[in-house]
Amino acid sequence: GENVEQHPSTLSVQEGDSAVIKCTYSDSASNYFPWYKQELGKGPQLIIDIRSNVGEKKDQRIAVTLNKTAKHFSLHITETQPEDSAVYFCAASKGSSASKIIFGSGTRLSIRP
Amino acid sequence: GAVVSQHPSWVICKSGTSVKIECRSLDFQATTMFWYRQFPKQSLMLMATSNEGSKATYEQGVEKDKFLINHASLTLSTLTVTSAHPEDSSFYICSARDRASGSFGEQFFGPGTRLTVL
Repeated sequence: GENVEQHPSTLSVQEGDSAVIKCTYSDSASNYFPWYKQELGKGPQLIIDIRSNVGEKKDQRIAVTLNKTAKHFSLHITETQPEDSAVYFCAASKGSSASKIIFGSGTRLSIRP
Repeated sequence: GAVVSQHPSWVICKSGTSVKIECRSLDFQATTMFWYRQFPKQSLMLMATSNEGSKATYEQGVEKDKFLINHASLTLSTLTVTSAHPEDSSFYICSARDRASGSFGEQFFGPGTRLTVL
C-alpha cells in the first residue's frame, strides 16, 4: 500500500522567513496530494492541494510543488506569521471517490517572533 | 464551504461502557465518510471507511466488533466504541467526501472528539 514520509518532524523559523516541508510517496498511482494544517485540539483543515497533472500551485503565501518522477512533493510557506504555528500534514490519495487518504507523520511548525 | 460536525466534542466515560460519536455533513451529501484516531503528537490513522447503506470497511488491526460504524444516511455516520477501556482514549476524527466533488474527492474533516476512558 501507499506510504507517505514527511520531513522534518519539527521546524522552527523566524517570523517573516520561509518554511519548507517535504514529503515522498511510494505508490506511483497516487494522483491527489492535499496538505492539512491542524491546530491543537482541532481537526485538520485543508490548506492547499495539488493534482498529478500539475507541477506547482500557489495560493497567496502558500505554494506546493510536485515532482511525479521522483515522487516528491513539498509545501512552501513564505513570509511566515505567528498564526502559521501548527502541525502540518501532507497526504496522498489515488483520488477516486472511494480512495483512502494516507497521511504523513506531521511537521510541528513554530514561528519565532 | 463544506462543513462537517462531530458530537460530542469531548466525552469522559467509565471503563466497560459504550460511547457513540456522531459525524454529520451539514451542507453537502457524503457518500463516503472516514473515521480516524489520533494519539498525542502522532498522525491520523485511518480506522474505517464508511459508505452510505453498506457495511464499513475496516483497516487491518481495527476490531469491527469493538468499533461499530453505522452510515445510516448521506449526512450521518456514527462510531460506537463498545466496552471502552483506557487504551481506547484518543482523539477521534471523521471526514466526509462530497458526493458532488468529482473524481478527486476532497475530504472535509470534522473538529474531532476527545474520548477519555477512566
